[in-house]
Amino acid sequence: GAVVSQHPSWVICKSGTSVKIECRSLDFQATTMFWYRQFPKQSLMLMATSNEGSKATYEQGVEKDKFLINHASLTLSTLTVTSAHPEDSSFYICSASDSSYNSPLHFGNGTRLTVT
Amino acid sequence: DQQVKQNSPSLSVQEGRISILNCDYTNSMFDYFLWYKKYPAEGPTFLISISSIKDKNEDGRFTVFLNKSAKHLSLHIVPSQPGDSAVYFCAATPKLIFGTGTRLQVFP
Repeated sequence: GAVVSQHPSWVICKSGTSVKIECRSLDFQATTMFWYRQFPKQSLMLMATSNEGSKATYEQGVEKDKFLINHASLTLSTLTVTSAHPEDSSFYICSASDSSYNSPLHFGNGTRLTVT
Repeated sequence: DQQVKQNSPSLSVQEGRISILNCDYTNSMFDYFLWYKKYPAEGPTFLISISSIKDKNEDGRFTVFLNKSAKHLSLHIVPSQPGDSAVYFCAATPKLIFGTGTRLQVFP
C-alpha cells in the first residue's frame, strides 16, 4: 500500500535553532501534503496544506514565518521550525494525498520534537 | 471551537464483544467522514469512511453509521480483538478536521 516516510522520527534541539522535518511519499505522487501538530491528549491540529509548486496555505493562528513549508516536488514536502522555542515541542505528523477529493490520507509516522 | 468531538476519551471492551465509538460534529457543511486508527508513536492509518449521502458503510468487522440530523456518527467494531486496541480518531472534510480521539482497549 501507499507509504509516507517522515524523517526524523525524533529530534532534540536547542532553543533558537531551526529544525527541518521531511515528508516523502514513497510510491505515489502526492499532489497535496498536510502538516499536523498533536499536543498531548489532544487531537491532530491541521497546521497547513501544501500543494506541489505553490505556496502553502496556513491555518488560522499558525505563523507561516515560523513554520516554513516547502513542497518542491510531488514526492517531498518539508516543514522547518525556525528559531524553535520550548513551546514548539510537540509531535508533528505529515500526510499526503495522491488524487481525488476525499481520498484517504496516508500518514507519516510523525516526528517528536523536543526543544530544550 | 471543536467542530468534531469525541466525548469519550477511553473505552474498554472485552474481546469478542462489540466496540462502539462515537463522534459528534457541529458543521453541517461536512460532507465526508473518516475514521483513523493510531498506535503510539505512529501516524494514523485509515480505517473506513462514509459519505454524507449514506447512512451506513460496512467493511469487514468495521461499520460506520451516520445520522445527519443528529450530526452524529459511530464506528462499530465486532467482534472486537485485542489488536484493535489503539486510539481512534474521526475526521470530517472538506477540511480535514479531527476529533480528539478515543482510546480503545480490548481485553481478553
